[in-house]
Amino acid sequence: NAGVTQTPKFQVLKTGQSMTLQCAQDMNHEYMSWYRQDPGMGLRLIHYSVGAGITDQGEVPNGYNVSRSTTEDFPLRLLSAAPSQTSVYFCASSPHRDRGFPISGNTIYFGEGSWLTVV
Amino acid sequence: GIQVEQSPPDLILQEGANSTLRCNFSDSVNNLQWFHQNPWGQLINLFYIPSGTKQNGRLSATTVATERYSLLYISSSQTTDSGVYFCAVPTGGTSYGKLTFGQGTILTVHP
Repeated sequence: NAGVTQTPKFQVLKTGQSMTLQCAQDMNHEYMSWYRQDPGMGLRLIHYSVGAGITDQGEVPNGYNVSRSTTEDFPLRLLSAAPSQTSVYFCASSPHRDRGFPISGNTIYFGEGSWLTVV
Repeated sequence: GIQVEQSPPDLILQEGANSTLRCNFSDSVNNLQWFHQNPWGQLINLFYIPSGTKQNGRLSATTVATERYSLLYISSSQTTDSGVYFCAVPTGGTSYGKLTFGQGTILTVHP
């Protein structure tokens, strides 16, 4: 059981370049999300999805695009990278609350993170 | 939106010491979670604790929802406890995954 898989783990971009961070989960979770982590600020929600074909903005969506064509995949696109997007990005997945509280006690699963530097 | 504040921002301990981390939140919530981020960046669920007290080994957590705070206790700390501790509260929706995080407490445990 792989859980949540993110790629790439490290990336350096030049200002203005575009790229896609990939995220896949194999737990059949309805909910997927992208967070960014900056020093001293904790994690902030970028975009989220409650199911295939449905996405919505989080707290810091500007400069990012998402789509959800399948339950498993939730890619994050940087359309024109800026130095302010230098950050660590985490993808996460969670079950719908209607499934009841998870037996494992785990309500959210994070990927291992993607370190992005924009120069 | 809801504000989540953690204290202290940094904590340095000798191995074996005990510590208490605090999380204050600005509005009523129906649950709260604690996470540990290890030095390699991996985020681990510690507790899902809407109210009351839970214990897991040397770690325990207490949430007093009516007073809008939660505490994480680490007893007999070990070097492997080092990392960043986050609390997070839900910001609505039908999933457990839409969260607002505090800024974290950086814990360093020296041997």
